[in-house]
Amino acid sequence: EAGVTQFPSHSVIEKGQTVTLRCDPISGHDNLYWYRRVMGKEIKFLLHFVKESKQDESGMPNNRFLAERTGGTYSTLKVQPAELEDSGVYFCASSQEKGLGEKLFFGSGTQLSVL
Amino acid sequence: GEDVEQSLFLSVREGDSSVINCTYTDSSSTYLYWYKQEPGAGLQLLTYIFSNMDMKQDQRLTVLLNKKDKHLSLRIADTQTGDSAIYFCAERRISGTYKYIFGTGTRLKVLA
Repeated sequence: EAGVTQFPSHSVIEKGQTVTLRCDPISGHDNLYWYRRVMGKEIKFLLHFVKESKQDESGMPNNRFLAERTGGTYSTLKVQPAELEDSGVYFCASSQEKGLGEKLFFGSGTQLSVL
Repeated sequence: GEDVEQSLFLSVREGDSSVINCTYTDSSSTYLYWYKQEPGAGLQLLTYIFSNMDMKQDQRLTVLLNKKDKHLSLRIADTQTGDSAIYFCAERRISGTYKYIFGTGTRLKVLA
């Protein structure tokens, strides 16, 4: 069974440009999460989808970030325009069940560098 | 606050035991997790413990939970070079939307 896949694995862009990150969750997983880790700091929650609906987007830094999950399958996270402080590793995770016993399966992340 | 705290680095010799520590803040947390991230890979769930337990053992891994002090530790027995990775502690809260709160990660380096 394929795991959570993320594309691209690395992206280097200039300040002001736009970048779109993609996440394909494990097939059948309704829950999809985006997280971000800035170098040396904790992994921070960005948002949570249940199927195509945004369940919780309280971690989104500002309106330069837009996440979508059309059709409840893959998700995209667009940063427009990118700023220097957006650099970091963006992780996607998915899960099947919800509640306290939920186990997350993570992708390998997208390393974003904004120059 | 939301902080889950870990020390950033740990270095041990191959064959020794490693102990990675974590403190969390929310007493309502019901599950606590340890994830491992190897270079170039995503986070892999290693083990987890329910908050009504004090200890959980799984082969070379032992998780200890001190609820009073909100302290969690992961002990790796007979540490191998393949254990070199970043280890993240995470708590799962019952308040709000059950989201995970992760720590900063501890980079474990195993010396041959």
